[in-house]
Amino acid sequence: GAGVSQSPSNKVTEKGKDVELRCDPISGHTALYWYRQSLGQGLEFLIYFQGNSAPDKSGLPSDRFSAERTGGSVSTLTIQRTQQEDSAVYLCASSDVLDGSKETQYFGPGTRLLVL
Amino acid sequence: QKEVEQDPGPLSVPEGAIVSLNCTYSNSAFQYFMWYRQYSRKGPELLMYTYSSGNKEDGRFTAQVDKSSKYISLFIRDSQPSDSATYLCAMKAGAGSYQLTFGKGTKLSVIP
Repeated sequence: GAGVSQSPSNKVTEKGKDVELRCDPISGHTALYWYRQSLGQGLEFLIYFQGNSAPDKSGLPSDRFSAERTGGSVSTLTIQRTQQEDSAVYLCASSDVLDGSKETQYFGPGTRLLVL
Repeated sequence: QKEVEQDPGPLSVPEGAIVSLNCTYSNSAFQYFMWYRQYSRKGPELLMYTYSSGNKEDGRFTAQVDKSSKYISLFIRDSQPSDSATYLCAMKAGAGSYQLTFGKGTKLSVIP
């Protein structure tokens, strides 16, 4: 069965450019998360989508970051006017939240972003 | 003080050794504890999921939680070269909580 997929796998961009990162969650999973993993750092929560509820954007580091989830499935994370400190691996995860205590998040392979 | 502390290593052990990986945390609200394994250039995958204090065993892996000390451990018995990866601890508060707080990860190498 298909897992979480992310594209592109790698992205190199110039400082100041906008980038879009895509996540295809596991079919039927209602919850979707974005995380950032910087070198030597743990996973940093960015944003959470659950069904039709308003997303939890509390982890977004600045207003240059935004995310959408269309039709309750595919999600796009957009970083505007990229900065060098945005260089990191961006990970997407999805889960089928039937019981919050037993929720398992399944991660995609990540998009490695390098801002020159 | 970070909410979750984890020694980044690297940790290098010979094949067959018992490996002990640990995390400490400061938030007493954490009730659910997880260990993820992350191979190079891959996303994390869930290894163990435990609730509250006690031990949980799955094959060669044992997860241990001591809430009184705010300390969790992952033991790997008979370690294999295929266990070489970064191990991340993660935790969250009550059943209604969804945000995971991760440690920085410990990089493990098992030498044949």
